Amino acid sequence: GDSVTQMEGPVTLSEEAFLTINCTYTATGYPSLFWYVQYPGEGLQLLLKATKADDKGSNKGFEATYRKETTSFHLEKGSVQVSDSAVYFCALVYNQGGKLIFGQGTELSVKP
Amino acid sequence: GAGVSQSPSNKVTEKGKDVELRCDPISGHTALYWYRQSLGQGLEFLIYFQGNSAPDKSGLPSDRFSAERTGGSVSTLTIQRTQQEDSAVYLCASSSRRGQETQYFGPGTRLLVL
Repeated sequence: GDSVTQMEGPVTLSEEAFLTINCTYTATGYPSLFWYVQYPGEGLQLLLKATKADDKGSNKGFEATYRKETTSFHLEKGSVQVSDSAVYFCALVYNQGGKLIFGQGTELSVKP
Repeated sequence: GAGVSQSPSNKVTEKGKDVELRCDPISGHTALYWYRQSLGQGLEFLIYFQGNSAPDKSGLPSDRFSAERTGGSVSTLTIQRTQQEDSAVYLCASSSRRGQETQYFGPGTRLLVL
């Protein structure tokens, strides 16, 4: 079945370091891909999305490119801040299905 | 504008009791989803409603779980005869229509079954 796999956490970085969180997916069709973020004590928020192959989603300095050939949607940021500390979830959805299929989440901790 | 709201924010109950969780979606959103977030299982889809169509109940873990959506707006998730493994955060989301539209999440209801 369809699934999303993220790199294991927790990831601990120093402020201003480069961030990559890997996400790969298994899908029978052509889903849309999302990154959601959950800050401590808060609900899930959409960070960015891409709806077709080669699309790049971006927001708040984060980027991810929909790579159909490698079935990946890796999240990157050039310089992380302490305020980026959160749990990041990669997810996919089909136009026909509607339900989000989530990866297991990756906890990011940024130290000053 | 108002986002998705859920109530209660926290619920503690005894094993065997029934609980009701409520979700108010964003006004005008026709699609409504319930998910569960637990330590062992991550984020799992439970059920979704789209307009007047029959709901997709494929994610409900047992027949103790049910949900309804009245008037195409507010939804209630009911868990009967709660078990300790039902302890989790129950999240509601809504979107303007099914499919690839962004789902906006509420703050969740944290359920603890003693």
